[in-house]
Amino acid sequence: AQKVTQAQTEISVVEKEDVTLDCVYETRDTTYYLFWYKQPPSGELVFLIRRNSFDEQNEISGRYSWNFQKSTSSFNFTITASQVVDSAVYFCALSEADSGGGADGLTFGKGTHLIIQP
Amino acid sequence: DTAVSQTPKYLVTQMGNDKSIKCEQNLGHDTMYWYKQDSKKFLKIMFSYNNKELIINETVPNRFSPKSPDKAHLNLHINSLELGDSAVYFCASSQDRPGRAFDTQYFGPGTRLTVL
Repeated sequence: AQKVTQAQTEISVVEKEDVTLDCVYETRDTTYYLFWYKQPPSGELVFLIRRNSFDEQNEISGRYSWNFQKSTSSFNFTITASQVVDSAVYFCALSEADSGGGADGLTFGKGTHLIIQP
Repeated sequence: DTAVSQTPKYLVTQMGNDKSIKCEQNLGHDTMYWYKQDSKKFLKIMFSYNNKELIINETVPNRFSPKSPDKAHLNLHINSLELGDSAVYFCASSQDRPGRAFDTQYFGPGTRLTVL
């Protein structure tokens, strides 16, 4: 069965600090996808990134970067020079190959509440 | 233009009532989903659906039923509401077929259901 663990329940940093959100996943499949979503205080879920299991290249998008390491089953997310607007709950999610008929959809971690203090 | 929309945004109702939440997507996607987010923010899939398949998560009570009038809409009907149904319900859509969630899922704004 697939599982996503976000061990950090809450992180609080001061603005302009760098912060890394950890994500560790479990799957038996060789083909799978990993995602990060952001849920700001307004409540919507905003897609950030999608990465397939065959692409271990790190990705950078502005102040955001992602480090995917299959050897440790991790897909960590780093925000550089954090800003108050980055305050949100961040979810890591996993999807496997054909679920075999189950409505697996995305399996989400429990989320990390990131607080950026001014 | 909103890609995935839901109505209402807030729904307050009494225990035992029947209610519906509407979802519409204008992305041309083939598959739609319903997720439940509980008070601890945990998100869990309830259904995945397209015009050929409905896949139900086995833990979802049969009081919950999705209804799709067409490809762009997937409404959620809930019968005999219980206190434990209070949560935020999110609709999502993607190009995937049910049971396979490889493509990016785009989420609606959520509906906060409160059962009194």
